[in-house]
Amino acid sequence: SQQGEEDPQALSIQEGENATMNCSYKTSINNLQWYRQNSGRGLVHLILIRSNEREKHSGRLRVTLDTSKKSSSLLITASRAADTASYFCATDSLYTGANSKLTFGKGITLSVRP
Amino acid sequence: GAGVSQSPRYKVAKRGQDVALRCDPISGHVSLFWYQQALGQGPEFLTYFQNEAQLDKSGLPSDRFFAERPEGSVSTLKIQRTQQEDSAVYLCASSPTRGRNYGYTFGSGTRLTVV
Repeated sequence: SQQGEEDPQALSIQEGENATMNCSYKTSINNLQWYRQNSGRGLVHLILIRSNEREKHSGRLRVTLDTSKKSSSLLITASRAADTASYFCATDSLYTGANSKLTFGKGITLSVRP
Repeated sequence: GAGVSQSPRYKVAKRGQDVALRCDPISGHVSLFWYQQALGQGPEFLTYFQNEAQLDKSGLPSDRFFAERPEGSVSTLKIQRTQQEDSAVYLCASSPTRGRNYGYTFGSGTRLTVV
């Protein structure tokens, strides 16, 4: 079963614009992570935000987390054609016992037009 | 190695055939995960190893699926008597610790097609 749901399912923007992707989840979490997947490749870890953090930055990425609303957003600023990929949020639930086990959403397809 | 290596990259199996998928994690990584990704979907958890111990196999869809990591490094996911619904990309990931607040490093996956 997939706990995270991303929104929108697909996003098309012009190079240079900002891209905002949202994720909602159902159960309480230890942390939430965002991954990127280029076509036919494995996933690349982008950023991790812990449940006691509200905002985190990494280069052109900004992630926010609202545990009261069980939601997160990923902002990519000044997008580039190379950012074209699928983006997944993944949650590490508090209820999976002692071991880490990420649950992924269905993903968002981002297209950045040159 | 520098990353997580999976082989083969592609596998076509006839229905009923057994297959073995290999994962070579980053050297020294304690945690190893297997995920299954159907077309157009996010990865779904299959199983988790901490060193050689399989601590969670709750995601394995049936007893036809078996995973091992006998020496705490290379892992093999075996699927017996493959069926068409097993067609998917099988992803392996590793993490340096047994702790929870670390990102995973994924391999490029094995695309399994059952015909």
